[in-house]
Amino acid sequence: DTGVSQDPRHKITKRGQNVTFRCDPISEHNRLYWYRQTLGQGPEFLTYFQNEAQLEKSRLLSDRFSAERPKGSFSTLEIQRTEQGDSAMYLCASSRTWEAFFGQGTRLTVV
Amino acid sequence: GENVEQHPSTLSVQEGDSAVIKCTYSDSASNYFPWYKQELGKRPQLIIDIRSNVGEKKDQRIAVTLNKTAKHFSLHITETQPEDSAVYFCAASPANQAGTALIFGKGTTLSVSS
Repeated sequence: DTGVSQDPRHKITKRGQNVTFRCDPISEHNRLYWYRQTLGQGPEFLTYFQNEAQLEKSRLLSDRFSAERPKGSFSTLEIQRTEQGDSAMYLCASSRTWEAFFGQGTRLTVV
Repeated sequence: GENVEQHPSTLSVQEGDSAVIKCTYSDSASNYFPWYKQELGKRPQLIIDIRSNVGEKKDQRIAVTLNKTAKHFSLHITETQPEDSAVYFCAASPANQAGTALIFGKGTTLSVSS
């Protein structure tokens, strides 16, 4: 499968714990995005990388959230001190030009 | 910032009918407008997109129209089939370069009954 890959697919964590998600973009895609989607809503933009540089961050991205793309390939999204409101589907997408392709997402449940 | 409104939130049609979903956007600088289809439990998939220098684009049974003056764009699906049933999202890119954030509408749940 040469599409965008995300790991894990599902994560259940207790409130207050830290979690980290991984995204592997389509090879040769230099642009990578993180979105969050809750039930009945469209994806909400979180952050954007071009190569290893984080160029854009949403106001939604509190200081508990951090994202990295150290070598311009895969990316990680970490949420510290998780809260129940963090429960959502976290989607990664990548693009080379305009068209963005999404991964299957990581579904986070905070209990 | 950019805001995208999408209507209707639900749409039910008979197989073979046409379906139209409409979106409006607020930022006149937006110039890229993709449409995504998301089936239950699956990833959003790009089905068609349009750039601001084009008024209409068609791909088989799917077409998108853009009115930059009125700041709205629409998805048209003709000869609908049950497999068209899904949630459809419109989006706008509020920048004049590739690769920036997409702002999504809240989605339209399309149900096609046979």
